[in-house]
Amino acid sequence: DTEVTQTPKHLVMGMTNKKSLKCEQHMGHRAMYWYKQKAKKPPELMFVYSYEKLSINESVPSRFSPECPNSSLLNLHLHALQPEDSALYLCASSPGPWDTQYFGPGTRLTVL
Amino acid sequence: DQQVKQNSPSLSVQEGRISILNCDYTNSMFDYFLWYKKYPAEGPTFLISISSIKDKNEDGRFTVFLNKSAKHLSLHIVPSQPGDSAVYFCAASKSGNQFYFGTGTSLTVIP
Repeated sequence: DTEVTQTPKHLVMGMTNKKSLKCEQHMGHRAMYWYKQKAKKPPELMFVYSYEKLSINESVPSRFSPECPNSSLLNLHLHALQPEDSALYLCASSPGPWDTQYFGPGTRLTVL
Repeated sequence: DQQVKQNSPSLSVQEGRISILNCDYTNSMFDYFLWYKKYPAEGPTFLISISSIKDKNEDGRFTVFLNKSAKHLSLHIVPSQPGDSAVYFCAASKSGNQFYFGTGTSLTVIP
């Protein structure tokens, strides 16, 4: 298994909803990342997990809450989002911290 | 402040010709560089990388050139194929640290 999977592919939610994005890899990678990408912009780093511990939180609002239940799984819990949070959310993994990253297909999030 | 820049938002090339995508960076401490390719509605796919100890790395039709003195790297695709049409991002890092992505160049290969 040489890919990063993300579910769901698309998500539409209201500002009062609670939802979660999921990311999974079975490549034995020990680092996992969440990025946010707006149209025509580069991916922006949100969170980094290294050996299942949160190592970087790039000043992301608390309405985004990451979770790493085990070395293969990464979740992003969403609560009380704003319309400006609508974006493509990308998960990536790498063998070790800051090695070459392999991206999932992303979740297209729309906040109404 | 954008530490990695791709100054050409778009590029059109005839099928079979060479595509040259450019990337400039400002941080002289960067020592690892990558190119990613992104199709619409998909995540970026790793294409090729180069470390600062080299000035060229080749993988099939893709070659990355690094000019450290100019803080410039380029991706050459020869020959270009319609399936190469995508957005290409360059990224740079100092080993063991965060990657910084450029804004992307949209390549269109015309059949």
